[in-house]
Amino acid sequence: DTAVSQTPKYLVTQMGNDKSIKCEQNLGHDTMYWYKQDSKKFLKIMFSYNNKELIINETVPNRFSPKSPDKAHLNLHINSLELGDSAVYFCASSQEGLAGTEQFFGPGTRLTVL
Amino acid sequence: QKEVEQNSGPLSVPEGAIASLNCTYSDRGSQSFFWYRQYSGKSPELIMSIYSNGDKEDGRFTAQLNKASQYVSLLIRDSQPSDSATYLCAVIGSGGGADGLTFGKGTHLIIQP
Repeated sequence: DTAVSQTPKYLVTQMGNDKSIKCEQNLGHDTMYWYKQDSKKFLKIMFSYNNKELIINETVPNRFSPKSPDKAHLNLHINSLELGDSAVYFCASSQEGLAGTEQFFGPGTRLTVL
Repeated sequence: QKEVEQNSGPLSVPEGAIASLNCTYSDRGSQSFFWYRQYSGKSPELIMSIYSNGDKEDGRFTAQLNKASQYVSLLIRDSQPSDSATYLCAVIGSGGGADGLTFGKGTHLIIQP
């Protein structure tokens, strides 16, 4: 009955590889997000998707691309991985107009680029 | 540039005392304000939300908002060792919820038994 789930939990890969992280929410929310938490623990928004439409893109390199096959899923594809991409990536979801815009986070994916 | 500022700490509080965490934000049009708790190696967990000026209480937690001063605070009464964590202040700015949350860098709280 997990509300927001992500796979994989850990991802270790070589520079230059392409990888994907999957996110699913069963809360019926209409907006999903990807956040990056760097080594200094600073959490920053990367993308948000509302009804399959990209709302924002906060100066994220175009090597990162979100893909939303339906309202319950928002996957993150990363091409040509770089050392600086190592971080924890969190997926989140919210519902506009329902108890404000509270966002609920997935467990995170720790990406290590070697 | 939207910014949220917090004292990084660590803030050390004796067990049973009141822990007071503070946050300021730069976007005067900000609409919604949140406190998340994050244990090491875990995801942020929402503990309080506040949308209008004044106080909002939930159990041992009280959130306070002063939009004129662009200031948000969180009080934790009867602090327990299990409250030891990093507390993240987060704001939804004037652009609305679809812009995502702007987080502060967090305050590391230590409750001393």
